[in-house]
Amino acid sequence: AQTVTQSQPEMSVQEAETVTLSCTYDTSESDYYLFWYKQPPSRQMILVIRQEAYKQQNATENRFSVNFQKAAKSFSLKISDSQLGDAAMYFCAYRPLSGGGADGLTFGKGTHLIIQP
Amino acid sequence: DGGITQSPKYLFRKEGQNVTLSCEQNLNHDAMYWYRQDPGQGLRLIYYSQIVNDFQKGDIAEGYSVSREKKESFPLTVTSAQKNPTAFYLCASSLRGRDTGELFFGEGSRLTVL
Repeated sequence: AQTVTQSQPEMSVQEAETVTLSCTYDTSESDYYLFWYKQPPSRQMILVIRQEAYKQQNATENRFSVNFQKAAKSFSLKISDSQLGDAAMYFCAYRPLSGGGADGLTFGKGTHLIIQP
Repeated sequence: DGGITQSPKYLFRKEGQNVTLSCEQNLNHDAMYWYRQDPGQGLRLIYYSQIVNDFQKGDIAEGYSVSREKKESFPLTVTSAQKNPTAFYLCASSLRGRDTGELFFGEGSRLTVL
């Protein structure tokens, strides 16, 4: 069974600074997706960024970028120029492509990100 | 606008009562999912369905039931057999096969057992 581990229950960063959230995963699959979702206080799950495992290039979305290390099974999220609106729970998630990804995503337990003004 | 609608947003239930949470999507997605979220636990899969009239148990299906009579609808019933039903419930949908990717989520339903 696949597992996703987020080792930082809570992180704090000053506004405008950079913060990195860690995620590791365990799988025997070679073809899969990885995701970072954001859950603000409204509790709506919002996709931040996604990475296809076959792509060596790290995904980037504006101030959000990932460091994908396939051999190490590591998938960290870097948030640059942190803003107050970035405060939220962040979940790392994994989805295999085998079986069409039938059983959805496997999530980590989340990291609570606090932005200090 | 396309999306996923969950209702009700807040629900209170007395012990011993069944309750049904609604989930409707107009994204034309084949696959639908129910997750449960508890503090410090992340999201855990309850049930999922890839096509109409077919569904599979997830990691924590005990005490829950679902149906999938229409492509756009995937209601979840929390039965009296669920020992600790107070939680936040999220419904999601996605494409299937090689096009599969992220899940799209509803806004969630908060169930409190009194």
